[in-house]
Amino acid sequence: SQKIEQNSEALNIQEGKTATLTCNYTNYSPAYLQWYRQDPGRGPVFLLLIRENEKEKRKERLKVTFDTTLKQSLFHITASQPADSATYLCALGGYSSASKIIFGSGTRLSIRP
Amino acid sequence: EAQVTQNPRYLITVTGKKLTVTCSQNMNHEYMSWYRQDPGLGLRQIYYSMNVEATDKGDVPEGYKVSRKEKRNFPLILESPSPNQTSLYFCASSLGQGYSPLHFGNGTRLTVT
Repeated sequence: SQKIEQNSEALNIQEGKTATLTCNYTNYSPAYLQWYRQDPGRGPVFLLLIRENEKEKRKERLKVTFDTTLKQSLFHITASQPADSATYLCALGGYSSASKIIFGSGTRLSIRP
Repeated sequence: EAQVTQNPRYLITVTGKKLTVTCSQNMNHEYMSWYRQDPGLGLRQIYYSMNVEATDKGDVPEGYKVSRKEKRNFPLILESPSPNQTSLYFCASSLGQGYSPLHFGNGTRLTVT
């Protein structure tokens, strides 16, 4: 069955360093991959989308890579700040508009001052 | 402001007492969906709707009902709640065109005793 795995442990990073989160998947050939941020008690908020034919996408301090051979996406936050502390979810989607979006269970990121 | 509104935010009920969680979006989105989020399991889709009067089962539909009589509303109905339906529920909407990001509500925390 389709499976998405994210860093199972929480990630603790010193402020100013680059945080790197991993999303691995099996038994799926996604058309795209999305990253969301979720704060405690709130719904996920969309951050970035990367398509299967794109290797890398950037938005301000965020960078996402997508390797369909390794079946892996990496999500980087450069110059991390305590305000970046949250849970980050990756999600995979298929080619048709009716395709389900499948979510990973998320990685909790803590940035210490 | 573009948003997905869920009500109530918190709900405590007893086994067997029918309840409805409402969801409304003001973005004229075609696609709406309900998820439940449980620790370690990520977001799992309950039901989704591609358009008015078009609903379909997600991964965990048992014990839930939905309806889509109007484009903006997508209520989740628990006819006879049980303790295993204690969870955090999210409604989401999107343009529904494959690559469209999901917009989530702020969640409903349901406890069934």
